[in-house]
Amino acid sequence: QLVLTQSPAASASLGDSVMLTCTLSSAYSSYTIAWHQQQPQKGPRLLMKIKSDGSHTRGDEIPDRFSGSSSGADRHLTISSLQSEDEADYYCQSWGTGMVFGGGTKLTVL
Amino acid sequence: QVQLVQSGSELKKPGASVKVSCETSGYSFTNYSLSWVRQAPGQGLEWVGWINTNTGNPTYAQDFTGRFVLSLDTSVSTAYLQISSLKAEDTAVYYCARGGANDYWGQGTVVAVSS
Repeated sequence: QLVLTQSPAASASLGDSVMLTCTLSSAYSSYTIAWHQQQPQKGPRLLMKIKSDGSHTRGDEIPDRFSGSSSGADRHLTISSLQSEDEADYYCQSWGTGMVFGGGTKLTVL
Repeated sequence: QVQLVQSGSELKKPGASVKVSCETSGYSFTNYSLSWVRQAPGQGLEWVGWINTNTGNPTYAQDFTGRFVLSLDTSVSTAYLQISSLKAEDTAVYYCARGGANDYWGQGTVVAVSS
């Protein structure tokens, strides 16, 4: 079955870059995923979709500090020039006959 | 612009039912499926199910069969989530979202179940 695996937590300093990873279960390594950001006390919003070839499409008004890439079953979200408002929960998600979310990564900006 | 606007917070007693609405605008309603996602307090996002807005055919996640019903009113571009026989563990924020990638989200509806 489709499973998405994320590290529970990550941290990086203000102004630095950080890479978050979402790993698809091996039989689904070609699937497209979506990354969503949920800031504290807010609803989720789409950051971007990432295909298996690494091409990605950002959501509305998402700055180019957010970029995506792929390597095998891994889908990466890279955030550059970290700002305080990037401190949030990040969820990856994929879909086919149904939909699955990863467990989320809590990003702390130091 | 695309908007998904959900109905307001609900406080219900155990055993009651609730119906949450998701009114959409700014796009052709039948071009995208609509998903419902649950977020229990302090927890992650959990897919409840989705509904094909062309056929009205719903698909439910394994943990959400039986008491959860998805429906549509295409005349007003609105989707609904009905939960029956409410339990305390149904207390959560429920979101609607558009399409497979959930490219637009509703603002969320708090459903609180307490005696």
